[in-house]
Amino acid sequence: QSVLTQPPSVSGAPGRRVTISCTGSSSNIGAGYDVHWYQQFPGTAPKLLIYVNSNRPSGVPDRFSGSKSGTSASLAITGLQAEDEADYYCQSYDRSLSAVVFGGGTKLTVL
Amino acid sequence: QVTLKESGPVLVKPTETLTLTCTVSGFSLSNAKMGVSWIRQPPGKALEWLAHIFSNDEKSYTTSLENSLSISKDTSKSQVVLTMTNMDPVDTATYYCARTSTVRADIDFDYWGQGTLVTVSS
Repeated sequence: QSVLTQPPSVSGAPGRRVTISCTGSSSNIGAGYDVHWYQQFPGTAPKLLIYVNSNRPSGVPDRFSGSKSGTSASLAITGLQAEDEADYYCQSYDRSLSAVVFGGGTKLTVL
Repeated sequence: QVTLKESGPVLVKPTETLTLTCTVSGFSLSNAKMGVSWIRQPPGKALEWLAHIFSNDEKSYTTSLENSLSISKDTSKSQVVLTMTNMDPVDTATYYCARTSTVRADIDFDYWGQGTLVTVSS
């Protein structure tokens, strides 16, 4: 059971917009800790997609955006492309556990 | 160019101790903002953070495995080592090392190694 809760799967047609939620609590996201997002393709290492809630590393398309509010965060992907099909993980810090925590991951399927 | 590469055994027996090495290049482990974590991922499952070492040698561990984990670094060799005692089949996973370039608690990982699959079986 992950400290950060994500939907196991989401899907969308090419060109559409999807969002992936990441729900935490008052000891992590709600405590003001930043949220980061990673993209992972099968058999490869995760790649940093969004850092500090809404910032994109160089090279990440602006189709990807992040937001945070209260005890939750969201990743939005607009103009869905087949190449976006991957697993997505949110990550933050939990002060009760004194640990870095990850969400359970969300599998994105492009229909 | 920043790179990280994990190395270690692919197969360990139950109760044995696992030692993994992360060799980094393109940055220095002595840089004030640099740190390295170990993160694992069992087959088909989610990422799990294990341990972190900061540039000042401060260390942190996941609570559930704190008694079996040890992280250390050799700055001169650009290596970070993770040892995990009393391995169990449930510890079968791909083990990643990843870099952070911030000293906040809510660190993010901007570079990752390719990962190394460790199987625990007799």
